Amino acid sequence: KQEVTQIPAALSVPEGENLVLNCSFTDSAIYNLQWFRQDPGKGLTSLLLIQSSQREQTSGRLNASLDKSSGRSTLYIAASQPGDSATYLCAVNVGGTSYGKLTFGQGTILTVHP
Amino acid sequence: NAGVTQTPKFQVLKTGQSMTLQCAQDMNHNSMYWYRQDPGMGLRLIYYSASEGTTDKGEVPNGYNVSRLNKREFSLRLESAAPSQTSVYFCASTVRRGLHNQPQHFGDGTRLSIL
Repeated sequence: KQEVTQIPAALSVPEGENLVLNCSFTDSAIYNLQWFRQDPGKGLTSLLLIQSSQREQTSGRLNASLDKSSGRSTLYIAASQPGDSATYLCAVNVGGTSYGKLTFGQGTILTVHP
Repeated sequence: NAGVTQTPKFQVLKTGQSMTLQCAQDMNHNSMYWYRQDPGMGLRLIYYSASEGTTDKGEVPNGYNVSRLNKREFSLRLESAAPSQTSVYFCASTVRRGLHNQPQHFGDGTRLSIL
């Protein structure tokens, strides 16, 4: 059974810092990996999706990398801002007959203080 | 563009009552999903519908039923609500283009309390 772990569970940083969120998964046979952001009381917003054939994806100040062989992904946030405060979730898609079924980590709660 | 719309946003039920959570998407997506989110457990898949006319069980299907009414709508039914079903329920949808999955789009959730 695929298991997804996110470290750290919570992170508090001053504004302007660069930071890294970690995600690990136990079964490397994934189809893709997705990073989401969740604001309190809201749904999930997709940030980046990395296909299994890709090594990284970038969007603005966000960069996500994927190392399938080691079962790891990182989300790098550059020059953090208070508006980045949210819970960040990673999810893996095993594809195939489980097409589109996501297995989620428990998330990292990020607080960026001014 | 509304994306994924869930109704109701909040609901309180008594044990044993039944209700249906509604979900509709306007993005012409083929696949739709129901997840529940609980503290310490993350999001877990309840049921999914890979395409119109098909539904399959996810990780935690017991106590739930689903209906894929048409391509747009995917409902989740609790036949006899139990306190263990107190949770936040999210509906999501996506489409596959060529060989690749596209990102899943989520609704804002239904916060359900069972007394």
